[in-house]
Amino acid sequence: RKEVEQDPGPFNVPEGATVAFNCTYSNSASQSFFWYRQDCRKEPKLLMSVYSSGNEDGRFTAQLNRASQYISLLIRDSKLSDSATYLCVVKGWDSGGYQKVTFGTGTKLQVIP
Amino acid sequence: EAGVVQSPRYKIIEKKQPVAFWCNPISGHNTLYWYLQNLGQGPELLIRYENEEAVDDSQLPKDRFSAERLKGVDSTLKIQPAELGDSAVYLCASSGTGGVGEQFFGPGTRLTVL
Repeated sequence: RKEVEQDPGPFNVPEGATVAFNCTYSNSASQSFFWYRQDCRKEPKLLMSVYSSGNEDGRFTAQLNRASQYISLLIRDSKLSDSATYLCVVKGWDSGGYQKVTFGTGTKLQVIP
Repeated sequence: EAGVVQSPRYKIIEKKQPVAFWCNPISGHNTLYWYLQNLGQGPELLIRYENEEAVDDSQLPKDRFSAERLKGVDSTLKIQPAELGDSAVYLCASSGTGGVGEQFFGPGTRLTVL
């Protein structure tokens, strides 16, 4: 089982739609969680951190479910500019005491006019 | 403020040739990462530095890959000899000490091995 799993998609949604992505992680000791966005042929950029209480940034809402070991990203009122790959990122500590960062494979979103 | 700088942006070489990539992190960022990203996949960590010390190189194929960060600032990743399967995007990222906070990525080097 992969440490961080995402549905690769693609998710094809019309403008204005609401879309949700999930990401599951295997290490219950994982400590912090993020969503990154990656445009085609560009580098990943931080979209938002995911807090235990859930957090919202405009049209984007991120939630964490530690009991079921998954995080989610909800995008409301999708825009054409939201088309990108969304990467789930999990940070934790490895056996050597160093912080370990693991990326998911990403979920591709295509917003259609 | 300048972001993470990488060079070259593109490199095409024949198999068995050596290749090197350079990265200059954001000023003040002590943690530096090298990732490999294949098409349709997420970045996979190759090596992580805290200052000049490689604290995680468990995923670095040491038979052909090497990296250095001699003065704890810029870093070089080398492949010798390159194989066809090494064709990918090599991303460098940096963050605050201990990996705290956001990782900032450079634009990457797209390597094609023929």
